[in-house]
Amino acid sequence: EPEVTQTPSHQVTQMGQEVILRCVPISNHLYFYWYRQILGQKVEFLVSFYNNEISEKSEIFDDQFSVERPDGSNFTLKIRSTKLEDSAMYFCASSVGGLGNQYFGPGTRLLVL
Amino acid sequence: AQSVSQHNHHVILSEAASLELGCNYSYGGTVNLFWYVQYPGQHLQLLLKYFSGDPLVKGIKGFEAEFIKSKFSFNLRKPSVQWSDTAEYFCAVKDYGQNFVFGPGTRLSVLP
Repeated sequence: EPEVTQTPSHQVTQMGQEVILRCVPISNHLYFYWYRQILGQKVEFLVSFYNNEISEKSEIFDDQFSVERPDGSNFTLKIRSTKLEDSAMYFCASSVGGLGNQYFGPGTRLLVL
Repeated sequence: AQSVSQHNHHVILSEAASLELGCNYSYGGTVNLFWYVQYPGQHLQLLLKYFSGDPLVKGIKGFEAEFIKSKFSFNLRKPSVQWSDTAEYFCAVKDYGQNFVFGPGTRLSVLP
């Protein structure tokens, strides 16, 4: 069964550094998403992406965040200057349609020191 | 804005006990409803979903959920839990034009 994959599984970075989290969505999916889950808290929506542009974003997704689909297979989340409060598990998801089930990747655990 | 609540933060059961996890949402229009499970150290996995039709939906691993529109609820049930059901369970709601809103999660601990 096809899966969403994410790399790296863990990333440790210094505050103020840039990080790029990578995702490979399921190949025939058209909608892509990023979520985060701060330890002990609920999963929060960050952004959705369709047809090479952001379709929706939450209040969390400020100017420090950006997404890109650089090569037709990868879907990346960049945090330009990380803050301590960016420490969380970041999940990528993809879906065939905008209303359908989203398949989640295993997540990248980001720790900002 | 849509919000999702889950009744219990942590549920502890013995094996073979019956399970019911509550989920309520706020938006009253057409919604799609989901239950996801996150086993320790693993990623989110879909248990079951409701789009339309029969309000009683059956998912994997013996789970089922019932959509009651009048109560804005989508409770998850399993007649007899196993130790391997120990996990965190998330209810999620998607209404038209919006993205998934997750509930805060319910941690289920099943004692052998």
